[in-house]
Amino acid sequence: QSVLTQPPSASGTPGQRVTISCSGSTSNIGSNTVNWYQQFPGTAPKLLIYNYNQRPSGVPDRFSGSKSGTSASLAISGLQSDDEADYYCAAWDDTLSGPVFGGGTTVTVL
Amino acid sequence: QEQLQESGPGLVKPAATLSLICTVSGASISRGSDYWGWIRQPPGKGLEWIGSISHAGRTFYNPSLESRVTISVDTSKKQVSLKLRSVTTADTAVYYCARHPSSVTGWIYWYFDLWGRGTLVSVSS
Repeated sequence: QSVLTQPPSASGTPGQRVTISCSGSTSNIGSNTVNWYQQFPGTAPKLLIYNYNQRPSGVPDRFSGSKSGTSASLAISGLQSDDEADYYCAAWDDTLSGPVFGGGTTVTVL
Repeated sequence: QEQLQESGPGLVKPAATLSLICTVSGASISRGSDYWGWIRQPPGKGLEWIGSISHAGRTFYNPSLESRVTISVDTSKKQVSLKLRSVTTADTAVYYCARHPSSVTGWIYWYFDLWGRGTLVSVSS
């Protein structure tokens, strides 16, 4: 059982906008920054979004992050077949004294 | 090119100690602004942070694993090591090492911006 809650799956057609939610609490998302990772099968996670909506060099601006209260969201606009992957949210948790992750969301391009 | 490479036994017996090494290349392990963490992922499941260490040896551990974990750093060898004692089948996972930065004022950022490829460790008799 992950501390942060994500839907197990999301899907869309090429070109669509897909949004992935991440629900937490006041001890994590509500009071700390949120980060997102992208993971392709058999490979290591890759940092996608940090500090809510900052993108590392090389990450397309089709990916964006936002936060409201104790929930965060990752949006993928102009969905492409290359975006098929697992996506994880993460945040520091003040109660657990460590970073915690969501259970991951598998994005499928129909 | 900055790279992290995990290494160690792929099979560990129950009740034994899991030992892994992360070798840093193309980056300075002694840079004061970087922390080095271990994260694991059981097959088909999500990610779990194990712990982190600075170049000076300051450690942070996941409270749920703290009693069994030791993370250490050898800056001369550019290596970070992980030891997990008294393993069970629940410790079977891909183990990743990853870097996370800190600010010039010492504020630690808990996003992992550089990852190793990971190594699968199975616990089985």
